[in-house]
Amino acid sequence: KQEVTQIPAALSVPEGENLVLNCSFTDSAIYNLQWFRQDPGKGLTSLLLIQSSQREQTSGRLNASLDKSSGRSTLYIAASQPGDSATYLCAVLDSNYQLIWGAGTKLIIKP
Amino acid sequence: DTGVSQNPRHKITKRGQNVTFRCDPISEHNRLYWYRQTLGQGPEFLTYFQNEAQLEKSRLLSDRFSAERPKGSFSTLEIQRTEQGDSAMYLCASPGARNTGELFFGEGSRLTVL
Repeated sequence: KQEVTQIPAALSVPEGENLVLNCSFTDSAIYNLQWFRQDPGKGLTSLLLIQSSQREQTSGRLNASLDKSSGRSTLYIAASQPGDSATYLCAVLDSNYQLIWGAGTKLIIKP
Repeated sequence: DTGVSQNPRHKITKRGQNVTFRCDPISEHNRLYWYRQTLGQGPEFLTYFQNEAQLEKSRLLSDRFSAERPKGSFSTLEIQRTEQGDSAMYLCASPGARNTGELFFGEGSRLTVL
């Protein structure tokens, strides 16, 4: 059974720092991995999608990597800003075409 | 704006009442998903449709829950005889037009059962 874990559950860093959020999954048989952002009380915003055949994707200050064999993905945020404060969730599309979710990392960027 | 629209955004109801949520997905896409999310957790899969056919239902979807997608367009999720444990955010998602497997979510419908 696929399980997705995100560590740490919460992270607080000063503005301007580069940071890495981690996502691990137990079964490497995935179609893709997607990173989302969620602001309090809001829906989910798709940030980056990495297909199983890809190693990384970039969008602006965000870079997501995927190492399928080790069951890991990282989301790198460069030059963090207070507006980046949110919960970041990763989800894998498993072999049953189901999205399996991590519980998220709550990120706080201190001005 | 993801193109997925949900309403109402917030519903407060008394225990035992029925509630219905609506989702209008990205047009011209045949898949539609419903998820439920409680505070501090990732979303939990409830059900999904391909066109008007409900292809899969989670065990989380008790008999009090019913979802429909008439004509394969918008979808409704009804909860009958609500319980306090039903309080959660109900999220609808559909794939994007480019069919890459990427899912786009609506803003969600938050249910509070008093």
